[in-house]
Amino acid sequence: ETGVTQTPRHLVMGMTNKKSLKCEQHLGHNAMYWYKQSAKKPLELMFVYNFKEQTENNSVPSRFSPECPNSSHLFLHLHTLQPEDSALYLCASSQDLTGRYGYTFGSGTRLTVV
Amino acid sequence: AQSVTQLGSHVSVSEGALVLLRCNYSSSVPPYLFWYVQYPNQGLQLLLKYTSAATLVKGINGFEAEFKKSETSFHLTKPSAHMSDAAEYFCAVSADQGAQKLVFGQGTRLTINP
Repeated sequence: ETGVTQTPRHLVMGMTNKKSLKCEQHLGHNAMYWYKQSAKKPLELMFVYNFKEQTENNSVPSRFSPECPNSSHLFLHLHTLQPEDSALYLCASSQDLTGRYGYTFGSGTRLTVV
Repeated sequence: AQSVTQLGSHVSVSEGALVLLRCNYSSSVPPYLFWYVQYPNQGLQLLLKYTSAATLVKGINGFEAEFKKSETSFHLTKPSAHMSDAAEYFCAVSADQGAQKLVFGQGTRLTINP
């Protein structure tokens, strides 16, 4: 399978639950990203990884915990979320940390916190 | 640092009419410019990109964009709108200088009227 694959596509979780989002790319890219997209808000870059090392954390609350075991896989571990965390979470990858080649996005995980 | 401004958060056109989505960028070095499209509950899909070759760039689905350095613009056009073009469109900029991430605009929602 090619491209960027995100699972699950939809997730409903309670505020006390623990869940994880998964992202996988088979493009041979070295950089991976987590974005949050809320209704009527711009794309928010959350985390950046390059060669599985975190290079950026944009003041994301600790209830979001990323993990990048290798350049092909990226996880977002979720715990004790708030209703305002409900959003579309997008994973992306790129050849390197420069944006010159563009990013390839997954289809996203629609998260609803109840 | 790079930045991008999309003029108009909502654009509405009739089916068969010209589509024009505006994007202005700011960059102190030659930019790389991109247009992405996002359908509901999907990730962002690359429409086209400018990487310092031809100033008129053709993309998928009949879209094209023209890089105008003097106007710092990269507007997206399509001669004849189709109902399936209804989506959110994002302009993005990067530059070949260090680890310059892709910077996204706020997005423009395109509505097609029958």
